[in-house]
Amino acid sequence: DAKTTQPNSMESNEEEPVHLPCNHSTISGTDYIHWYRQLPSQGPEYVIHGLTSNVNNRMASLAIAEDRKSSTLILHRATLRDAAVYYCILRDDTGANSKLTFGKGITLSVRP
Amino acid sequence: GAGVSQTPSNKVTEKGKYVELRCDPISGHTALYWYRQSLGQGPEFLIYFQGTGAADDSGLPNDRFFAVRPEGSVSTLKIQRTERGDSAVYLCASSYSLSTEAFFGQGTRLTVV
Repeated sequence: DAKTTQPNSMESNEEEPVHLPCNHSTISGTDYIHWYRQLPSQGPEYVIHGLTSNVNNRMASLAIAEDRKSSTLILHRATLRDAAVYYCILRDDTGANSKLTFGKGITLSVRP
Repeated sequence: GAGVSQTPSNKVTEKGKYVELRCDPISGHTALYWYRQSLGQGPEFLIYFQGTGAADDSGLPNDRFFAVRPEGSVSTLKIQRTERGDSAVYLCASSYSLSTEAFFGQGTRLTVV
């Protein structure tokens, strides 16, 4: 499975934008970039995913580098509820192997 | 609508005992996944089903672990001769198809004493 690299942790202030980086230098052409997050004592929840183009949804934006070797999850205005572990995951959505392989993720803390 | 439901939410068992953990996926979801998560770690893949069949069981740690999904809906993860190292949160997820987003349950916290 292609691997991703994320910092261990990041701090943010409430109501400020947050940029969570992810490196995936060994990404293959059919790998989609997925982001999930896990709030304390909860199961992971889907945030966003993309292949090549930048993506926006109600939760966040995903900026993908032109060479696809890195991406950034953007939370436009952090709230206290956004404090969670964020996982960047590569998955070949076109193939038969659809499991999500989680790393340690990045722990986001939000200061009031 | 209802999300993924896992029962029990907590299970304490003695070393050597047999346990069953149940997962009720979202109705209509054909793919079902099992993960386990130890403190401070990301979820670790165990097995996933497409319909009734196990499409990938490469994450099951040994032959004490087994999972079934006989009618393509509810799944049961079975652990024989439990060991203290099996203590973890066991997470279940389902998705409409293999390439769509996965929805996770709250997990079952298993403690082996």
